[in-house]
Amino acid sequence: DTEVTQTPKHLVMGMTNKKSLKCEQHMGHRAMYWYKQKAKKPPELMFVYSYEKLSINESVPSRFSPECPNSSLLNLHLHALQPEDSALYLCASSLAGGRFFADTQYFGPGTRLTVL
Amino acid sequence: EDQVTQSPEALRLQEGESSSLNCSYTVSGLRGLFWYRQDPGKGPEFLFTLYSAGEEKEKERLKATLTKKESFLHITAPKPEDSATYLCAVQAKETSGSRLTFGEGTQLTVNP
Repeated sequence: DTEVTQTPKHLVMGMTNKKSLKCEQHMGHRAMYWYKQKAKKPPELMFVYSYEKLSINESVPSRFSPECPNSSLLNLHLHALQPEDSALYLCASSLAGGRFFADTQYFGPGTRLTVL
Repeated sequence: EDQVTQSPEALRLQEGESSSLNCSYTVSGLRGLFWYRQDPGKGPEFLFTLYSAGEEKEKERLKATLTKKESFLHITAPKPEDSATYLCAVQAKETSGSRLTFGEGTQLTVNP
């Protein structure tokens, strides 16, 4: 089974709200990722957690705060977002974070975020 | 800098009309090349990983091939349900972690 689950499927929030996106996988993968995808564009990497430690932050604004409580869960905390942050947010996981070999990433269905 | 270019940007086929999508890449040292399929509003669905030139992989009506400069995704006798955006991505040997460089995608439409 190569399933990554994400909740919620849709989220509408105001610029002053605080919300969280959740991602879960039970494949024993030790690397988890957050991507942002705008319409008709490829996914853009935001964060990478490898063995539950933040290994990559692609200069993402601090209004996005990732958290990895354990090897199966990944959260993205949102605060004071802007309308231009509206996008599809994708979670992905891979076996070992690409340290030694090409590491296939499996994506979740995404959360459609709208910021009013 | 790693680069991936996909062509064409969009492709319209009639059901049963076979064709190929192209993914050209420039990377310092290829660790892997990945093909994904993405339906509107959904996450990318993994199709293939290719590791070295000369490698080929098949799944139903799809066949992916790899050379030192490009990859092709061949679609044989496509059906309307094959309509989607196909994304190509590369992972370089010198990249940090599993960072992928994506192409812009090819939007495939198969008409019945």
